[in-house]
Amino acid sequence: AQSVTQLGSHVSVSEGALVLLRCNYSSSVPPYLFWYVQYPNQGLQLLLKYTSAATLVKGINGFEAEFKKSETSFHLTKPSAHMSDAAEYFCAVSGGGATNKLIFGTGTLLAVQP
Amino acid sequence: DTGVSQDPRHKITKRGQNVTFRCDPISEHNRLYWYRQTLGQGPEFLTYFQNEAQLEKSRLLSDRFSAERPKGSFSTLEIQRTEQGDSAMYLCASSPDRDTGELFFGEGSRLTVL
Repeated sequence: AQSVTQLGSHVSVSEGALVLLRCNYSSSVPPYLFWYVQYPNQGLQLLLKYTSAATLVKGINGFEAEFKKSETSFHLTKPSAHMSDAAEYFCAVSGGGATNKLIFGTGTLLAVQP
Repeated sequence: DTGVSQDPRHKITKRGQNVTFRCDPISEHNRLYWYRQTLGQGPEFLTYFQNEAQLEKSRLLSDRFSAERPKGSFSTLEIQRTEQGDSAMYLCASSPDRDTGELFFGEGSRLTVL
């Protein structure tokens, strides 16, 4: 069965600092991996996805993630945090099979300090 | 592309009452998913439709919950005899019928059971 683990439920960075949000996955098949962002009282918006092409994936708003099979990781990074990046971030893996449902981690709340 | 829309956005009800949520997916998307999200948690899968057929239900979907997707268009999620533990954000997502795994989410319907 597929699953993801997000390390750190809360991360705080200063504006302009590096953002690093950690995600490790478990999958019995080559995974599709996703990062979604959720702003307060809103739905989830796709940041980026890995679907077995390039291992370094670039997404919206300057975010990127690197798929590392040897480490079963898919960490999300951004070189320079902006105040508008404050939100909750979810890593997800595709469950595969007929439903293709996504299985989400518990999320990381990113705070950006001025 | 008008996106996934959900109605109502907020619902406050008394314990024991029935509530119904509606989801209108992106028009060309055949796949439709319902998720539940509680405070501090990632979205949890509830059920999946391929067109009008409900193909998977999570064990989280108790007998008090029922979902339909008549004619393969909009979907409804009904909760009967609501309990305080049903308080959550109910998210709907849709996906085209190809194997990308990406889900497009609505803004959710927040339920508060008093």
